[in-house]
Amino acid sequence: DQQVKQNSPSLSVQEGRISILNCDYTNSMFDYFLWYKKYPAEGPTFLISISSIKDKNEDGRFTVFLNKSAKHLSLHIVPSQPGDSAVYFCAASSAGNNRKLIWGLGTSLAVNP
Amino acid sequence: ETGVTQTPRHLVMGMTNKKSLKCEQHLGHNAMYWYKQSAKKPLELMFVYNFKEQTENNSVPSRFSPECPNSSHLFLHLHTLQPEDSALYLCASSQDRGSSRYGYTFGSGTRLTVV
Repeated sequence: DQQVKQNSPSLSVQEGRISILNCDYTNSMFDYFLWYKKYPAEGPTFLISISSIKDKNEDGRFTVFLNKSAKHLSLHIVPSQPGDSAVYFCAASSAGNNRKLIWGLGTSLAVNP
Repeated sequence: ETGVTQTPRHLVMGMTNKKSLKCEQHLGHNAMYWYKQSAKKPLELMFVYNFKEQTENNSVPSRFSPECPNSSHLFLHLHTLQPEDSALYLCASSQDRGSSRYGYTFGSGTRLTVV
């Protein structure tokens, strides 16, 4: 049973517009959430994270929103650039699970020029 | 240079072969991880080493044998693999086991094909 779900396998967005990637989780014990970005033939790269005590964290063009009551988080990229085209993974952890990262399946983002 | 270097990048091996994957990190981290990425599956954590000691083995078959001689190096020894073991094997590191919340640094992976 997947505890972290990324229900959209792919997303296509026009350059300059907003990209919104979604992630849902089922385990209410998760208290830390991370987004990773992966280009083909490379390993995932840490992008941005958020603690459960916050509902928003921003880093440049990237913002992550957390809605604990809905067990939902989203990554907003604005404006989107062609170089953002990659697979984005959502991951979650809890102190009670020794901070083991639980991963989603990923969403492939294509930003079209 | 990502800080975590994996070799080889690609490996094709027969089911009776013995091979090893190597991972080296230059970040001064104390925790290292082996992950398996298969098509249409989430990243699967295989092994965790913290300060050179194995702290986690997620029911990985014995045909995969990890080795961590020091905090900078991690190996995955492979023998008598099956075709379903074909996958991308990723190494990662973090400051220590408990600081994974700050993100791991991943290597580029080894694409393994078992024939």
